[in-house]
Amino acid sequence: DAGVIQSPRHEVTEMGQEVTLRCKPISGHNSLFWYRQTMMRGLELLIYFNNNVPIDDSGMPEDRFSAKMPNASFSTLKIQPSEPRDSAVYFCASSRGQRRSPLHFGNGTRLTVT
Amino acid sequence: AQTVTQSQPEMSVQEAETVTLSCTYDTSESDYYLFWYKQPPSRQMILVIRQEAYKQQNATENRFSVNFQKAAKSFSLKISDSQLGDAAMYFCAYRRGEGAQKLVFGQGTRLTINP
Repeated sequence: DAGVIQSPRHEVTEMGQEVTLRCKPISGHNSLFWYRQTMMRGLELLIYFNNNVPIDDSGMPEDRFSAKMPNASFSTLKIQPSEPRDSAVYFCASSRGQRRSPLHFGNGTRLTVT
Repeated sequence: AQTVTQSQPEMSVQEAETVTLSCTYDTSESDYYLFWYKQPPSRQMILVIRQEAYKQQNATENRFSVNFQKAAKSFSLKISDSQLGDAAMYFCAYRRGEGAQKLVFGQGTRLTINP
């Protein structure tokens, strides 16, 4: 059973450029989460989806960030325009609908904005 | 809002010995779930162990066990017979039993294993 797949693993871009991070959840999981990890703020939830519908996007920093889940097997997190303070590791995670079900994380995308 | 606190930024232990990582949380709910995740240098987040709040029995997974004190809102992780491969960041996390499904994470504890 393949785990959560994220791409790219590393991304280096210049300030002002558009960045798109991609995620394929585990088949059969109906919840998908985007987290950001920084030294200063730790692991922060940006947004999560249930059955492809965004449920809570209160963690999205500002309008420069957007996330979509067009189907059960794919999600994107887009930053436009990117800024140096967006540099972080971005994790995608998925889980089954039950509360006792843990989140399964992808390997993360390390984003560096110069 | 629920918060999770890990008061030990760093811990170290001799190989083969036992170490306990602390975690406390703040909630007004009675139904919830608690998790410990491990993040090695590869940065992969790996589930170590989970505990349902309604269960009084402490969860165990091989060398890993928890001490769940619901009244004290404490959820510590004990690692027995520490191995070099246990070196990692350890995160405690909380999930509500109803409503929002997100995991709320603590700030993490960096565990070093001394050979």
